[in-house]
Amino acid sequence: DIQMTQSPSSLSASVGDRVTITCRASQSISNSLNWYQQRPGKAPKLLIYAASSLEGGVPSRFSGSGSGTDFTLTISSLQPEDFGTYYCQRGYSPPLTFGGGTKVEIK
Amino acid sequence: EVQLVESGGGLVKPGGSLRLSCGASGFNFNNSNMNWVRQAPGKGLEWVSYITSGGTYIYYADSVKGRFTISRDNAKNSLYLQMTSLRAEDTAVYYCARLSMVRGGLDYWGQGTLATVSS
Repeated sequence: DIQMTQSPSSLSASVGDRVTITCRASQSISNSLNWYQQRPGKAPKLLIYAASSLEGGVPSRFSGSGSGTDFTLTISSLQPEDFGTYYCQRGYSPPLTFGGGTKVEIK
Repeated sequence: EVQLVESGGGLVKPGGSLRLSCGASGFNFNNSNMNWVRQAPGKGLEWVSYITSGGTYIYYADSVKGRFTISRDNAKNSLYLQMTSLRAEDTAVYYCARLSMVRGGLDYWGQGTLATVSS
């Protein structure tokens, strides 16, 4: 099965900072890559699908890029409400494997 | 308004069974491929199982294969997860989620139900 590896596992950044999270697939998944945000005690929320498409209602400071095995989620200007854990996931067909997560804290 | 509401969680002893349910409303459940995703306390997300809209194709994570059974009743707009031979490591919040066939991501999620396996 395809494995998804995220880095870093956690980060702390200030409001206004540019934040980058990376996700690597163990083999090529084309652009079948999704990103989710999960706040404590809440269900995950889909942010980015098909590697770079923004889900409706998601602020434009979030963006995704990559294809094949290497992907990136970027928050262009970190806001206080962006705290939480971010997960990448292989999309479209099972197994819908998740990465281990990146916990984002606001300094 | 889209709603997915899970129920059926609780405390069960190792080796026991539990049946989770997920009621859907506000979208075309009959045409939707559905999933169960779980999250152990303080841990990350783990995809558990997938079922196509008509129930024809079913997939499981290796960690639950042979012990868990996913099913659905489209007449009742409901998704189920029958869990047997439960282990302590199955303790988690279980979410049901819809897989968007267009976008390829899990776009609708329930609030989750906690299953605790402990003696």
